[in-house]
Amino acid sequence: GAGVSQSPSNKVTEKGKDVELRCDPISGHTALYWYRQSLGQGLEFLIYFQGNSAPDKSGLPSDRFSAERTGGSVSTLTIQRTQQEDSAVYLCASSQRTGTGQPQHFGDGTRLSIL
Amino acid sequence: AQSVSQHNHHVILSEAASLELGCNYSYGGTVNLFWYVQYPGQHLQLLLKYFSGDPLVKGIKGFEAEFIKSKFSFNLRKPSVQWSDTAEYFCAVGNSGNTPLVFGKGTRLSVIA
Repeated sequence: GAGVSQSPSNKVTEKGKDVELRCDPISGHTALYWYRQSLGQGLEFLIYFQGNSAPDKSGLPSDRFSAERTGGSVSTLTIQRTQQEDSAVYLCASSQRTGTGQPQHFGDGTRLSIL
Repeated sequence: AQSVSQHNHHVILSEAASLELGCNYSYGGTVNLFWYVQYPGQHLQLLLKYFSGDPLVKGIKGFEAEFIKSKFSFNLRKPSVQWSDTAEYFCAVGNSGNTPLVFGKGTRLSVIA
């Protein structure tokens, strides 16, 4: 597709359940980012992948959060044992490469609601 | 660590009024600066960016921003807003190293007729 694709667009789940969020970046983009957008808090960086390098996980808020990127393309963000404070919009972005200020292109996000 | 401050949480303007949204960042090195916009129900879109050169950059839809290095600022301006500019605006900073962008908390702009 032409843009970054995220699925599902909405996810409602019970506290304690695991969730998986998917991101398809723009074809050819080597860098992929996950952010979390909470009400009134702006965008919080979670993790990013650049090519085959080890991901930068410095933004993950706890060990319940993890992410993978298979084949340098699709990425999955997994949240285990979800808590109510995990409720937010999870945004994925991709860019051609990092380090030179390449603009990031964002998906529509996944709105996660934990009951 | 880098940080970005957007001083206005919510700005309400009448159509045709002039707009200036403040953005200040903390980082002493070379920076790349961005403004993103999020229209209601849509994804974040790049409005404009500054990497180097002329500190006054022009973006889409009549927006511009000025990089003032001495003030660590990158304020967004538009001479005359329209109702369709109603959106949330995010300032973001990246450096020349291998780090993701740091975003401000956003400013919600409401333009009323």
